[in-house]
Amino acid sequence: DQQVKQNSPSLSVQEGRISILNCDYTNSMFDYFLWYKKYPAEGPTFLISISSIKDKNEDGRFTVFLNKSAKHLSLHIVPSQPGDSAVYFCAAKGVYNFNKFYFGSGTKLNVKP
Amino acid sequence: EAQVTQNPRYLITVTGKKLTVTCSQNMNHEYMSWYRQDPGLGLRQIYYSMNVEVTDKGDVPEGYKVSRKEKRNFPLILESPSPNQTSLYFCASSFLAGSSTDTQYFGPGTRLTVL
Repeated sequence: DQQVKQNSPSLSVQEGRISILNCDYTNSMFDYFLWYKKYPAEGPTFLISISSIKDKNEDGRFTVFLNKSAKHLSLHIVPSQPGDSAVYFCAAKGVYNFNKFYFGSGTKLNVKP
Repeated sequence: EAQVTQNPRYLITVTGKKLTVTCSQNMNHEYMSWYRQDPGLGLRQIYYSMNVEVTDKGDVPEGYKVSRKEKRNFPLILESPSPNQTSLYFCASSFLAGSSTDTQYFGPGTRLTVL
């Protein structure tokens, strides 16, 4: 059973608007969360991360929010740009073993010009 | 240029024919890992290595072997490939093993088809 879930396989947003990508997890021992972005025919690249001691982390147009009680995190992209069109993976790792990563199934974002 | 390289990028093979996918990083990273990506399942970790001669199983290790004889290389070995190992494979590395905050650098992927 997947411990990290991205329930929206795809999302379409107009350029300039906000994109919100969601991620849920089941394991309360997860301590660190990451978002990766993947373009076709390339490997994933790290985007932004958040530790469980925080509820928000910002990096330019990208903000990740963490709600530990709901076991939910979200990635906000404001404003969205056509170059943001990619697959976004949510990932988590836990205090018991920081060497093991658990990924969601990905959300394909399409930003329309 | 700092990078993770994988070879081959594409491979079509037949059931039971042993194959090796190579992975190399030039960043002196301690940690290396292999993933497979399948539709609807995302990336699943196969094996990882914390340093030379230190490896451990990820979530889906069955049917795979790895070795870490040198810090820069982490080959993935399929002794007897089967069609259910048809997938997109990624190698990744990061500076420190066991770090709570370290992120990973991924290779470009190897698309494997087993007939």
